[in-house]
Amino acid sequence: NAGVMQNPRHLVRRRGQEARLRCSPMKGHSHVYWYRQLPEEGLKFMVYLQKENIIDESGMPKERFSAEFPKEGPSILRIQQVVRGDSAAYFCASSPPGRETQYFGPGTRLLVL
Amino acid sequence: GESVGLHLPTLSVQEGDNSIINCAYSNSASDYFIWYKQESGKGPQFIIDIRSNMDKRQGQRVTVLLNKTVKHLSLQIAATQPGDSAVYFCAENIPGANSKLTFGKGITLSVRP
Repeated sequence: NAGVMQNPRHLVRRRGQEARLRCSPMKGHSHVYWYRQLPEEGLKFMVYLQKENIIDESGMPKERFSAEFPKEGPSILRIQQVVRGDSAAYFCASSPPGRETQYFGPGTRLLVL
Repeated sequence: GESVGLHLPTLSVQEGDNSIINCAYSNSASDYFIWYKQESGKGPQFIIDIRSNMDKRQGQRVTVLLNKTVKHLSLQIAATQPGDSAVYFCAENIPGANSKLTFGKGITLSVRP
């Protein structure tokens, strides 16, 4: 049973470009969470999605960031017009319906030049 | 500010000794807690969890203790091994917060051979 999958594992972008991060939850998990981690810090919640619905986006920056979890396919975290401050590790977690335990993917490390 | 914090940034232990990692939380309404282990370049790995209606839970070589009176959580690792070297995070879930987890900054466990 494959765990949470994320790709790409590493992503390099220049300022002003777009970054698209993908997350495939564990089989049977319909809840997806995105977190951001800066160097030597803990994870910060960004957004919580269920299929085709954004449940809680209270941790998402108001501009340039968006997330989706379509009926088919992976969840996507999209960052438009990236800036150097967006450089971080972005982790996706998933959980099954009715359960609070979140299982994390390996993360995407975004570097903005 | 952070509602979950760790007392010490690093912990060095001798291989074979027991390790105790401590965590304080400030939200008395939190009802679910998780310990994660994060190795360099990887995503957080679930270790053990505990609900607020319990004060102790044991896993394989790990024990989590919850003291709601002083809002303190600890992770005990028995017979610490080199493979236990990692950063450890405690995370809490607040009811009504849409299952998003609040993480502390992490503590590095270093195991001396």
